[in-house]
Amino acid sequence: DAGVIQSPRHEVTEMGQEVTLRCKPISGHDYLFWYRQTMMRGLELLIYFNNNVPIDDSGMPEDRFSAKMPNASFSTLKIQPSEPRDSAVYFCASSQDRVGQPQHFGDGTRLSIL
Amino acid sequence: AQKVTQAQTEISVVEKEDVTLDCVYETRDTTYYLFWYKQPPSGELVFLIRRNSFDEQNEISGRYSWNFQKSTSSFNFTITASQVVDSAVYFCALTRNNAGNMLTFGGGTRLMVKP
Repeated sequence: DAGVIQSPRHEVTEMGQEVTLRCKPISGHDYLFWYRQTMMRGLELLIYFNNNVPIDDSGMPEDRFSAKMPNASFSTLKIQPSEPRDSAVYFCASSQDRVGQPQHFGDGTRLSIL
Repeated sequence: AQKVTQAQTEISVVEKEDVTLDCVYETRDTTYYLFWYKQPPSGELVFLIRRNSFDEQNEISGRYSWNFQKSTSSFNFTITASQVVDSAVYFCALTRNNAGNMLTFGGGTRLMVKP
């Protein structure tokens, strides 16, 4: 079975540019999560969706960050304008809509903002 | 509020040694779930195991074993006869009985297994 698919795997861009990260969750999973991982702050939950609806975006650092889930098989995380401090690994994860189900993670996108 | 503490930030062992990774958690919930994830040098996060708060049986899977003790709020992970391929960062995590399976992660333990 296909796991969570993220693209691109690596992104290098200059500050001020718009960055779009993409995620395809596992089919049949109703929850989708976006995380950011840095050495300083570890794994941080940015936002999560249930049935394509954003439930909690309290982890989104600034208005420069936005996330959408137009359908059950696709989500985007956008940063506009990007800044060097946004450099991190961004993970997408999905889980089934049953209590206690594990989250399954994509391979992550390593983002570098120059 | 929930909290997961992995006091060991880094552990170094020699191949074939046994190693235990500690995880202590705090929660006010009576029903909750605990997880371990592995993050190898390649960077992906791999789900290893889930345990619910009503199941205190220890679990063994090959060289891996997990010891859940509710009395001490601990969910420790032991690797027997460690191998170089076990080198990774290991995360312990906790979720509530609701809240969309949101995970509270510990800070992770970096395990280095030397040949």
